[in-house]
Amino acid sequence: NAGVTQTPKFQVLKTGQSMTLQCAQDMNHEYMSWYRQDPGMGLRLIHYSVGAGITDQGEVPNGYNVSRSTTEDFPLRLLSAAPSQTSVYFCASSPTAHGYTFGSGTRLTVV
Amino acid sequence: QQQVKQSPQSLIVQKGGISIINCAYENTAFDYFPWYQQFPGKGPALLIAIRPDVSEKKEGRFTISFNKSAKQFSLHIMDSQPGDSATYFCAARGAQKLVFGQGTRLTINP
Repeated sequence: NAGVTQTPKFQVLKTGQSMTLQCAQDMNHEYMSWYRQDPGMGLRLIHYSVGAGITDQGEVPNGYNVSRSTTEDFPLRLLSAAPSQTSVYFCASSPTAHGYTFGSGTRLTVV
Repeated sequence: QQQVKQSPQSLIVQKGGISIINCAYENTAFDYFPWYQQFPGKGPALLIAIRPDVSEKKEGRFTISFNKSAKQFSLHIMDSQPGDSATYFCAARGAQKLVFGQGTRLTINP
């Protein structure tokens, strides 16, 4: 039981490049979310999903896309990276939208 | 605009003392209030949680106090230990989303 697995752990992008942050969970959780963590800002919700095929926007969705084709996977896409997207990204999952299990994070730097 | 406001931003407590972190919210539709603990380089981990129909919940040295009328809740860590040094986040659930406060960096001095 691996829990929530995020890849990669570290990434450096150039402005304008695109990439996908991967998130997979093996707990059969319906709810999955993406957060970004910035100093003094806490954890801000980017996008979330309440089940396969269903996604919605959080507090800071601009510049990011998501899809949920399976229960297990919830990738986060950066279409055209900007320096403002430099952050630590966390994926989390929960069976009931209550107690979330977090991954170990992806540290992204956009130069 | 942050839906959950957390204070203080940082806190230093002597070993054996009581650590207190406060949160306030506006949305009365929130129905679940967890606290998360995060160590450097790790993801947040659920510490303790409370529902709004309960005024207090205790688990070991950790206690949540909840004041529904004031729309405030707080985390108390009794007999604080150096191993408690971490960043703590309060959160609130509403409309199937979990939103977080800004975080408190807690340092326990030995």
